[in-house]
Amino acid sequence: RKEVEQDPGPFNVPEGATVAFNCTYSNSASQSFFWYRQDCRKEPKLLMSVYSSGNEDGRFTAQLNRASQYISLLIRDSKLSDSATYLCVVNYQAGTALIFGKGTTLSVSS
Amino acid sequence: GAGVSQSPSNKVTEKGKDVELRCDPISGHTALYWYRQSLGQGLEFLIYFQGNSAPDKSGLPSDRFSAERTGGSVSTLTIQRTQQEDSAVYLCASSLVFGVVGGVPGYTFGSGTRLTVV
Repeated sequence: RKEVEQDPGPFNVPEGATVAFNCTYSNSASQSFFWYRQDCRKEPKLLMSVYSSGNEDGRFTAQLNRASQYISLLIRDSKLSDSATYLCVVNYQAGTALIFGKGTTLSVSS
Repeated sequence: GAGVSQSPSNKVTEKGKDVELRCDPISGHTALYWYRQSLGQGLEFLIYFQGNSAPDKSGLPSDRFSAERTGGSVSTLTIQRTQQEDSAVYLCASSLVFGVVGGVPGYTFGSGTRLTVV
């Protein structure tokens, strides 16, 4: 079983749509969770951390379900500029490197 | 510097040759990480350094791969006797803290070195 699994997509949505990405992780002891964004042929950049209580940053909402080992990212009112690959990232414990999922590709069209 | 700097940005090498990839982390960042990303694949962890501690080399795919970090700053990833399957983008990242603590933001990545072995 892969450590961090994501639906690769692609998700093709029109501008203004709401889209949700899911991610599962295998290590129940995982402590920290993130979503990174990676544009084509660019380096990954931190989008947001994911907290146990769920958190929101503008149009982006992240949620964590520790019991199900499941992380989600919701994007509301999609913009053309949201087109990118979204990487689910997990850290098992402080002092270890981040583990990246393979990413979910989003394409927003006008 | 302002960001993580990697050089060269592109490298084409012949199979069997050795290559060196350089990473200059953000000034003051104590942790440095190397990942690689093959076409259409996720990021694969290679190695990390934290201060003067022994590096975690658990992700290195073979003994042809090695890395060092001099003076707690610049790091060099060396691939000996390159093979075609080594072709990938090699990404370096640095952070203020070792791994991640609580909700502390994660890594800052460099723009990578695109390695092509022909």
